[in-house]
Amino acid sequence: DSGVTQTPKHLITATGQRVTLRCSPRSGDLSVYWYQQSLDQGLQFLIQYYNGEERAKGNILERFSAQQFPDLHSELNLSSLELGDSALYFCASSVGGWDRGETQYFGPGTRLLVL
Amino acid sequence: SQKIEQNSEALNIQEGKTATLTCNYTNYSPAYLQWYRQDPGRGPVFLLLIRENEKEKRKERLKVTFDTTLKQSLFHITASQPADSATYLCALRGGGSYIPTFGRGTSLIVHP
Repeated sequence: DSGVTQTPKHLITATGQRVTLRCSPRSGDLSVYWYQQSLDQGLQFLIQYYNGEERAKGNILERFSAQQFPDLHSELNLSSLELGDSALYFCASSVGGWDRGETQYFGPGTRLLVL
Repeated sequence: SQKIEQNSEALNIQEGKTATLTCNYTNYSPAYLQWYRQDPGRGPVFLLLIRENEKEKRKERLKVTFDTTLKQSLFHITASQPADSATYLCALRGGGSYIPTFGRGTSLIVHP
């Protein structure tokens, strides 16, 4: 158990819908990262927050947005869902930032299926 | 363009042998490189980090080497066990970048 929690574990929804994925980092970690993992793309970095502020952005679609709240939990919002958005979504946390080479602790993931 | 390459073909070895996995990269000057283990349907788990000024790092049965001239990292598991069967991902951070970039991973299968 990494100490990172993600809810829900599974999500089935229809195209065009909007969903929210939630992540609670390990106690004491200030950074939260979001990743998308699909069979054909591997693990793709989406976005990072550090202590409530956006720190880095990867290939995150405009239909996706995220935020980190004062209690450091984070939410990833996916809207106007398409079939191709079906994937595993992971959240990870670390004490500081990726720039320091810090270990990222990954959550169990949310499996999203868009029908 | 920047690329990280790991063998897409699964590596099959016999129990007790040494497994060696490769991570090659192009157009990066990584400050460090990390290796993770991922089991099916689960999140990656950190194993080892090696920095650009280090040649080799060890942890129990694991060893990582980093050759910035060849632009390659090798990940070794000695005395491999069936429980080592998993996908192994390398990840690196380019100089000055905050963005973590992962390879697609290599599946290791250790046969009893």
